[in-house]
Amino acid sequence: KQEVTQIPAALSVPEGENLVLNCSFTDSAIYNLQWFRQDPGKGLTSLLLIQSSQREQTSGRLNASLDKSSGRSTLYIAASQPGDSATYLCAVILMNNNAGNMLTFGGGTRLMVKP
Amino acid sequence: GAVVSQHPSWVICKSGTSVKIECRSLDFQATTMFWYRQFPKQSLMLMATSNEGSKATYEQGVEKDKFLINHASLTLSTLTVTSAHPEDSSFYICSARRVGSEKLFFGSGTQLSVL
Repeated sequence: KQEVTQIPAALSVPEGENLVLNCSFTDSAIYNLQWFRQDPGKGLTSLLLIQSSQREQTSGRLNASLDKSSGRSTLYIAASQPGDSATYLCAVILMNNNAGNMLTFGGGTRLMVKP
Repeated sequence: GAVVSQHPSWVICKSGTSVKIECRSLDFQATTMFWYRQFPKQSLMLMATSNEGSKATYEQGVEKDKFLINHASLTLSTLTVTSAHPEDSSFYICSARRVGSEKLFFGSGTQLSVL
């Protein structure tokens, strides 16, 4: 059974800092990995999608890397801003998933960026 | 971009009543939709996968007779919580996979409170 772990569970940083969020998964036979952002009481916003054949994806101040062999992904946020405060979730889809695109989510990292 | 509309955003109901939640893909066709549940301070948990025109596939531990899912068209899936009880109070989120894309697009979620 795929297990996804995110470390740290919570993170508080001053504005302007660069930071790294970590995601690890136990089954490396993944189809792809996604990073999401969740604001309190709201749904999810997809940030970055990395296919299993890719090593990284970039969008603005966000950069996500994927190392399948070690079962790890990192989300790098450059020059953090208070508006980045949210819970960040990573989720993976297994390669041989008979149910289709079923995501397994990590527990999330609650990020607080202080002005 | 792809938009998924989820309605209602929040609902308060008495114990024993049934609640229907709608999930619509507004500008794309979704052959597959997913329903998730999130309890406070916990990660999202997949409840079921619904494919247009066929019966939903439920995850272990999710009662199919209690959580009725209907995916009648390529743009609409509904989740009905039948005879809701306080322990069903949770945040329910749907997601839709656009045909030809691996990305999932999420609704804004429904906060259900059962008194």
